Amino acid sequence: EDQVTQSPEALRLQEGESSSLNCSYTVSGLRGLFWYRQDPGKGPEFLFTLYSAGEEKEKERLKATLTKKESFLHITAPKPEDSATYLCAVQTGTASKLTFGTGTRLQVTL
Amino acid sequence: GAGVSQSPSNKVTEKGKDVELRCDPISGHTALYWYRQSLGQGLEFLIYFQGNSAPDKSGLPSDRFSAERTGGSVSTLTIQRTQQEDSAVYLCASSGSGKYQETQYFGPGTRLLVL
Repeated sequence: EDQVTQSPEALRLQEGESSSLNCSYTVSGLRGLFWYRQDPGKGPEFLFTLYSAGEEKEKERLKATLTKKESFLHITAPKPEDSATYLCAVQTGTASKLTFGTGTRLQVTL
Repeated sequence: GAGVSQSPSNKVTEKGKDVELRCDPISGHTALYWYRQSLGQGLEFLIYFQGNSAPDKSGLPSDRFSAERTGGSVSTLTIQRTQQEDSAVYLCASSGSGKYQETQYFGPGTRLLVL
């Protein structure tokens, strides 16, 4: 059974204090690893897809990386508006469904 | 363009009653997914539609849960004889063709509370 574990569960940063969120996975036949952002009371918003080890993608202050065992979401000089829950999900084999981790709740304060 | 929409946004029901949740996918998307998000738990897959057929129903938790899709568009998730443990946010997503590696776009969810 595919397993996705995210850490830490919660993270509090000051504005400008860079950090990384971790998503480790145990799956057979990874086809894609997805990062989403979820604000309270809203549905997940797509951020990135990573397909193979070594791949990196960037968007504004966010950079996602992938190895054979885990993915990191690096947040550089975060702002309060980056506060949200960040979700990691995997897609494996020929299945279309996503298997999600439980997320990291990020709070960025002034 | 318009994203995935869901209705109602909130639903409060009494234990034992039936509820129907609706999802309108992004226009032209042939793949549609239902997920459930409970407090303290990750999103849990329920069912996947490709067109009007459901090749993967493996996540439906019991026979009280059913879903259908008509005209390759709107989908309805029905929960019969609701129980308190059914309280959760029910999220719908759609993607272009359902192929793997394709991005799934989520709606805002329906918050279901069973009293």
